Amino acid sequence: GAVVSQHPSWVICKSGTSVKIECRSLDFQATTMFWYRQFPKQSLMLMATSNEGSKATYEQGVEKDKFLINHASLTLSTLTVTSAHPEDSSFYICSARGRLNQPQHFGDGTRLSIL
Amino acid sequence: DAKTTQPPSMDCAEGRAANLPCNHSTISGNEYVYWYRQIHSQGPQYIIHGLKNNETNEMASLIITEDRKSSTLILPHATLRDTAVYYCIVRPRMYSGGGADGLTFGKGTHLIIQP
Repeated sequence: GAVVSQHPSWVICKSGTSVKIECRSLDFQATTMFWYRQFPKQSLMLMATSNEGSKATYEQGVEKDKFLINHASLTLSTLTVTSAHPEDSSFYICSARGRLNQPQHFGDGTRLSIL
Repeated sequence: DAKTTQPPSMDCAEGRAANLPCNHSTISGNEYVYWYRQIHSQGPQYIIHGLKNNETNEMASLIITEDRKSSTLILPHATLRDTAVYYCIVRPRMYSGGGADGLTFGKGTHLIIQP
């Protein structure tokens, strides 16, 4: 149980393009979803937290107008990287949690490369 | 979140028990100890968590010292597939309406299982 699916797993696109990443909880309802970013040889860094039906809460230093998060249902959250540039190239990982104090379960990540 | 300290790397022979230590000397009474692992190029995988009692599941055992200032994750019969970075994370019990509950990842321990 507690499977989180993330799509796509890999995307390469040109600078200036917007990219949408989907995160789905397959066998549980995710009241809260999280988005993390991981640069090479570094640990995961939390970008934002989203609760179903509410606006996302962004961590300090993360531009909310650049990283648009939608969490319209209890099983789906999307992250859109708008007008992506090479410095946005990274490994983006989502996680989902059911009830409060249950563990977060992670997707397999999306490797984003901006040329 | 309380800070945790882990050795940067460890080796273990295949088939032996892998014991991964974690120091969390500033942990407070309502904070849980969580363990995740990240296999190369994948999202983190939840392993186990506990508050003050020892815990065991199908993946591992978690031993928390009586003063709660340190813990040990035990993989009873390590296999090559257990090679990964293991993260020990301390996180407070969350209450409804009470703040963000994203995880703070440190550098973790890179466990290498030797054949």
